[in-house]
Amino acid sequence: DTGVSQNPRHKITKRGQNVTFRCDPISEHNRLYWYRQTLGQGPEFLTYFQNEAQLEKSRLLSDRFSAERPKGSFSTLEIQRTEQGDSAMYLCASSLPTWGTASTDTQYFGPGTRLTVL
Amino acid sequence: AQSVTQLGSHVSVSEGALVLLRCNYSSSVPPYLFWYVQYPNQGLQLLLKYTSAATLVKGINGFEAEFKKSETSFHLTKPSAHMSDAAEYFCAVSDQSFQKLVFGTGTRLLVSP
Repeated sequence: DTGVSQNPRHKITKRGQNVTFRCDPISEHNRLYWYRQTLGQGPEFLTYFQNEAQLEKSRLLSDRFSAERPKGSFSTLEIQRTEQGDSAMYLCASSLPTWGTASTDTQYFGPGTRLTVL
Repeated sequence: AQSVTQLGSHVSVSEGALVLLRCNYSSSVPPYLFWYVQYPNQGLQLLLKYTSAATLVKGINGFEAEFKKSETSFHLTKPSAHMSDAAEYFCAVSDQSFQKLVFGTGTRLLVSP
């Protein structure tokens, strides 16, 4: 169990550029989540995968955002035409269902990717 | 929609003093509640969670929380603060309709010697 890893840890880009982040969940965790955290706030849910299926997307996930999990393992989050308001920490989490509904799963978080849009 | 409110963006205690971080939730259905801790430039680590079993939940690092339905609260406590407890603490509620956590705005715990 090596934990959830995210790459890169930091990304600085210019407004209008596209960026892509990668998340590698804990092996055998079939659920994967993306959250966004801005300064002084708690994380906000963006999207959720069970295996390769994207089951929910937040209204925060505008059409400039897209997430994939092609083989049910790692996931990518792409932001097109970045804006200064996209500057935030992007957190990935994964979980493995134990019992009951997924609502009780423990989500294990990665260290995050900090995006700065100039 | 479910939500949590964390009272106090900053809490300061002396080393060895009681730690009390407040969290109130709003939910139309029985909630599942979580406390996470975040150290600078790191992800979130689960301290403890309430999933409708015992109302007093014990977590890691000596923390515990009590679910009080009548007060819609899930406050986090620790009898004696250590310098290493200085961090940001987040309360979260699980949305039973969807598989996501809804977080509060966080409380920064400052521990002085």
